[in-house]
Amino acid sequence: AQSVTQLDSQVPVFEEAPVELRCNYSSSVSVYLFWYVQYPNQGLQLLLKYLSGSTLVKGINGFEAEFNKSQTSFHLRKPSVHISDTAEYFCAVSDTGAGSYQLTFGKGTKLSVIP
Amino acid sequence: KAGVTQTPRYLIKTRGQQVTLSCSPISGHRSVSWYQQTPGQGLQFLFEYFSETQRNKGNFPGRFSGRQFSNSRSEMNVSTLELGDSALYLCASSLSGGASDTQYFGPGTRLTVL
Repeated sequence: AQSVTQLDSQVPVFEEAPVELRCNYSSSVSVYLFWYVQYPNQGLQLLLKYLSGSTLVKGINGFEAEFNKSQTSFHLRKPSVHISDTAEYFCAVSDTGAGSYQLTFGKGTKLSVIP
Repeated sequence: KAGVTQTPRYLIKTRGQQVTLSCSPISGHRSVSWYQQTPGQGLQFLFEYFSETQRNKGNFPGRFSGRQFSNSRSEMNVSTLELGDSALYLCASSLSGGASDTQYFGPGTRLTVL
């Protein structure tokens, strides 16, 4: 079984400032890692995912994340945020050995960008 | 390419009733998963279907059921509704349901139980 902890439920940040959204996971098996974004009244959209290889993963909208196996973390970063980045962000994992797809999500982090 | 569509977008039901939600996956996608999203519990996996077979199920009571048709469209049914079933129900599709596949989410159906 896996679990995902998003350490901050809300993160306010000024426009054009950098931001880091933290995610830690716990699993007894190897996992794939994902970040999704949810805008108000919408479904989830994939920002980026880590499957293997380079631990630094670049995604859409200028976001990137770094996989740290020793710290079991997958923190999401953006060097300069915009008002349009205001949304809820979810970290998720899936079991690499699973025969079918099941995502385990964190509770989410609400990012508020202040003009 | 059209995205994942869910109907209806909003539903209001009363306790004890049953409800059916529908999901049409992206063309060519054969795996459909369902998730429940609530403020308290967050996003929780309900079940996943591939080629009309349920391959995986989350920890929900038997009142929650689903099915998938030969065209990959899926329905989810909740019987004997309870107040706690009020939630956003999200459907997601992927090509094969593999653990590394990208899941594409629909906008959700917001169910309110009175």
